[in-house]
Amino acid sequence: GENVEQHPSTLSVQEGDSAVIKCTYSDSASNYFPWYKQELGKGPQLIIDIRSNVGEKKDQRIAVTLNKTAKHFSLHITETQPEDSAVYFCAASQDNNDMRFGAGTRLTVKP
Amino acid sequence: DVKVTQSSRYLVKRTGEKVFLECVQDMDHENMFWYRQDPGLGLRLIYFSYDVKMKEKGDIPEGYSVSREKKERFSLILESASTNQTSMYLCASSWGTGGNQPQHFGDGTRLSIL
Repeated sequence: GENVEQHPSTLSVQEGDSAVIKCTYSDSASNYFPWYKQELGKGPQLIIDIRSNVGEKKDQRIAVTLNKTAKHFSLHITETQPEDSAVYFCAASQDNNDMRFGAGTRLTVKP
Repeated sequence: DVKVTQSSRYLVKRTGEKVFLECVQDMDHENMFWYRQDPGLGLRLIYFSYDVKMKEKGDIPEGYSVSREKKERFSLILESASTNQTSMYLCASSWGTGGNQPQHFGDGTRLSIL
């Protein structure tokens, strides 16, 4: 089955710097890649997603890139702010009922 | 906005008890899911349901069962709670048609088994 690996497990950046989180997946049939942000005491919230027919997607300060050949995708956050501090999860899915999650990255943005 | 509501934020139970975790969604989603979240392990799927009265095992179903009698409600049952089931439990829901769809999560139930 699908296996998703996520790096790094923790990331600390200075406010205003960029943050990059990387994920790799094993099953070339995966075609949907969402990213979730989980704040303390809350459930994961979808922040951006990308499908396999697209190489890059942006939404304000966040962007996701997908390299299908290498089977990896990345989350980029620019101009980080303290409120970006959270745990981020990547996921990969090939159908509606089989979404596999990475282990998570704890991002800390220092003011 | 999609609302997924889990009935309890915190729950403390004793070993051997039968435990019920409840989840309700208000978006008429076909699919519902139960995950458990442990540090360093991400989210692991326990069970999911794609329709009323239908259920499928996920990666870690042992020691758990589920019930979906109504479309909006999905219950997770720990038949005889054990200390290794102490964890954060997350419920999610998604549309069942139109290809892959994002899952929408509740805020979780932190369960402690003493």
